[in-house]
Amino acid sequence: EIVLTQSPGTLSLSPGERATLSCRASQSVSTSYLAWYQQKPGQAPRLLIHGASSRATGIPDRFSGSGSGTDFTLTISRLEPEDFAVYYCQQYDNSLYSFGQGTKLEIK
Amino acid sequence: QLQLQESGPGLLKSSETLSLTCTVSGGSISSTSYYWGWFRQPPGKGLEWIASIHYRGSTYYNPSLKSRVTISVDTSNNQFSLKLSSVTATDTAVYYCVRQEYYYFYMDVWGKGTTVTVSS
Repeated sequence: EIVLTQSPGTLSLSPGERATLSCRASQSVSTSYLAWYQQKPGQAPRLLIHGASSRATGIPDRFSGSGSGTDFTLTISRLEPEDFAVYYCQQYDNSLYSFGQGTKLEIK
Repeated sequence: QLQLQESGPGLLKSSETLSLTCTVSGGSISSTSYYWGWFRQPPGKGLEWIASIHYRGSTYYNPSLKSRVTISVDTSNNQFSLKLSSVTATDTAVYYCVRQEYYYFYMDVWGKGTTVTVSS
C-alpha cells in the first residue's frame, strides 16, 4: 500500500501570499492517478486537481499542481480568503485508494 | 448538474448492520465512464475509501473492510447502496457517496455526507 505524507501539517499565511503544499509518496505514483482536494469545515471534499496537474472544472487558475514519481506539489499562487481550508492529496494504485493526512491552511 | 444524496440511519448500536443508499439525480448511473463509491471520515480525521461499483456490477473493496462490506447498484432507481456489518464505535464517521472517474480514479462529484454514530 502506498502511503502519502503531506507537509506541513499546518500552514499559516496571509491573503495574497503564495502557498506551497507538499505530498510525498512511499513509492512511485503514476501522475495520472494523483489528485488534490479541498475541504472546508462541514463540507464534502472538492476536487481541485487530477492527473497531478490538470485543474478540475471551475477551479480558478491560481491553483496549480506539479510533480512526478514520489514528490507532488499543490501551489496556490495568490491566496484568497475562501482558500483557507484543509487540502488532501490522493492516489490510486493496485485497486486501492489512499489519501494523505491533510494540510490545514490557516489565516495568519 | 449531477447531484448525489446519501440516506440512511444516523444512529446504530454496536454489532448492527449499517445500510446507506446514494441517490443519483441530474444524470444516469448507467454510464461506462464512471464508478460509484463510498468514502468515510471519522470525526477530526482523514478520508478513507470503502468500496466502489460500476453499473455493470464490477466491484472492488478496501481490503481492511472487505469482510464486512457489500456494495450494490440499482440502475432502475438510479441508486447504489452500502452495507457494513458488525459495526463498532470505530465506524462512527461521516459517510460520503461519490462519482469516480473510470480511467483516472479521481472523485469528481461528492454527496454532502451523512453522519453515522455507533453507540455501545
